[in-house]
Amino acid sequence: QQQVKQSPQSLIVQKGGISIINCAYENTAFDYFPWYQQFPGKGPALLIAIRPDVSEKKEGRFTISFNKSAKQFSLHIMDSQPGDSATYFCAASRGTGNQFYFGTGTSLTVIP
Amino acid sequence: NAGVTQTPKFQVLKTGQSMTLQCAQDMNHNSMYWYRQDPGMGLRLIYYSASEGTTDKGEVPNGYNVSRLNKREFSLRLESAAPSQTSVYFCASSTNRGTEAFFGQGTRLTVV
Repeated sequence: QQQVKQSPQSLIVQKGGISIINCAYENTAFDYFPWYQQFPGKGPALLIAIRPDVSEKKEGRFTISFNKSAKQFSLHIMDSQPGDSATYFCAASRGTGNQFYFGTGTSLTVIP
Repeated sequence: NAGVTQTPKFQVLKTGQSMTLQCAQDMNHNSMYWYRQDPGMGLRLIYYSASEGTTDKGEVPNGYNVSRLNKREFSLRLESAAPSQTSVYFCASSTNRGTEAFFGQGTRLTVV
């Protein structure tokens, strides 16, 4: 049973466009929602994260939008660049014990 | 600062052979994890350790054993490798406060 559902599986965006990746969860005990970026041959690295007490968090061109009532959160990449081409994973965890549940990943390709 | 170090980076095993994947972190983290990454499946937790001396099963523990040797090291053992265990394995570590997990570079394992 997938604890965190992620879509789309793949995404192609023109340079300068907006990339949007969506995730949904069921467990209301989750209280930490990170997004990870992974380049080929590398391990995932934290990109940006949010807690459910805020509805949006922005860091540079990357924004997380969080809808607690709908149990959904999304990653928006503004002004997408070819260097953003990577696989993106959403995840969720709850306080102590700190077990992370990951989505199935989105392969993003930004075309020059 | 090396972060999370995994060895080996690549390995080919024959069905039935055993091997141990090594992981060490130098960030003084309490929690450590082993994930496997398969196409279309995302990252699935095999085992995790919330502190030295404790280990717990994750989503896909069958066919694996782990040892939390000390605070720095967390190893994953395959006693009798099967082709279904062909995957990329990632070790990660984090604090116990539900924050960022740091990943190693991964071990690409092929079982023939």
